[in-house]
Amino acid sequence: KQEVTQIPAALSVPEGENLVLNCSFTDSAIYNLQWFRQDPGKGLTSLLLIQSSQREQTSGRLNASLDKSSGRSTLYIAASQPGDSATYLCAVANAGNMLTFGGGTRLMVKP
Amino acid sequence: NAGVTQTPKFQVLKTGQSMTLQCAQDMNHNSMYWYRQDPGMGLRLIYYSASEGTTDKGEVPNGYNVSRLNKREFSLRLESAAPSQTSVYFCASSLDRGKVETQYFGPGTRLLVL
Repeated sequence: KQEVTQIPAALSVPEGENLVLNCSFTDSAIYNLQWFRQDPGKGLTSLLLIQSSQREQTSGRLNASLDKSSGRSTLYIAASQPGDSATYLCAVANAGNMLTFGGGTRLMVKP
Repeated sequence: NAGVTQTPKFQVLKTGQSMTLQCAQDMNHNSMYWYRQDPGMGLRLIYYSASEGTTDKGEVPNGYNVSRLNKREFSLRLESAAPSQTSVYFCASSLDRGKVETQYFGPGTRLLVL
């Protein structure tokens, strides 16, 4: 059974800092890995999707990497802003595009 | 283009009552999913539907039933609600199951079972 772990569970940083969120998974036979953002009381918004054959994906200030062999992914956020405050969820897709989610990292960026 | 919509947004039930959560998508997606989110446990898949007319169990299907009414709509039914079903329920859709597809999520339904 796939298990996904995100560390840390919560993170507080001052505005402008670069930061890294971590995700690890136990079964390397994945189709893809996705990073989502969730604002309080809202649904999930997809940020980045990395296919199993890829090493990284970039979107604006976000960069996600994937190391299948070690079962790890990182989400790098450059020059953090207060608007980046949210919960970030990592999810891996196994057969059938069914997602297994981590518990999330709650990020607070202080002005 | 509304994406994925869910009704109701919030519901309070008494133990033993039944209700149906509604989900609809207007993106012409083939696959639809129901998840529940509990504090500290992330999202867990309840049921999914790869295409109209098909449904399959996910990780936590007990106590739930689903209906893929047509390509747009996928409902989740609680026949006899229990306090353990207090949660936030999310519906999602993707273009094709089995491929590398992003899932698009609705805003969620918050359910409290007393």
